[in-house]
Amino acid sequence: AQTVTQSQPEMSVQEAETVTLSCTYDTSESNYYLFWYKQPPSRQMILVIRQEAYKQQNATENRFSVNFQKAAKSFSLKISDSQLGDTAMYFCAFMTSGSRLTFGEGTQLTVNP
Amino acid sequence: DTGVSQDPRHKITKRGQNVTFRCDPISEHNRLYWYRQTLGQGPEFLTYFQNEAQLEKSRLLSDRFSAERPKGSFSTLEIQRTEQGDSAMYLCASSTPKQPQSPNEQFFGPGTRLTVL
Repeated sequence: AQTVTQSQPEMSVQEAETVTLSCTYDTSESNYYLFWYKQPPSRQMILVIRQEAYKQQNATENRFSVNFQKAAKSFSLKISDSQLGDTAMYFCAFMTSGSRLTFGEGTQLTVNP
Repeated sequence: DTGVSQDPRHKITKRGQNVTFRCDPISEHNRLYWYRQTLGQGPEFLTYFQNEAQLEKSRLLSDRFSAERPKGSFSTLEIQRTEQGDSAMYLCASSTPKQPQSPNEQFFGPGTRLTVL
């Protein structure tokens, strides 16, 4: 069974600074996908960034980038130039092709003005 | 593309009552997922459909829970004889393997928040 662990229940960052959220996972699969989802207060879950396990290059999406360490089973999210609108719960998630998502416990990120 | 929709958005019921939730996926998506999210936790998988076939069910889905997707479009999730422990946000998501830039990405609806008194 796959497990996803987020060891930081809460984090805070000053506006315009950089923050890194941690995620580790455990699986025996070789082909899989990793995701970071954002859930703002009282709003729906949206995808921030995805990484295919077979790709060595780390994914980037504007201010969001990941550090994917396959051997260490680590998948951290870096948010650069943090904005107030980045305040949300962030979930790391794992998926094998076409199947269920397995989520971590989440990290509540607060961006302070 | 209007996204995934769920109805109702909120439901308050008394213990022992039956409730039914509806999910309308994105129209061309053949896969539909149900998750349950309790306060402060990540969503937990409940069940998954490909077209009208229910392909996987979690052990979390007790006999009181049933899900259907009769025509491969919308889906319903019914909870019979609700218990206080059923209070949670029920999330629906849909996906398709054919999405060019992000195959199998799951798009989530706004959820139905269930409160069992």
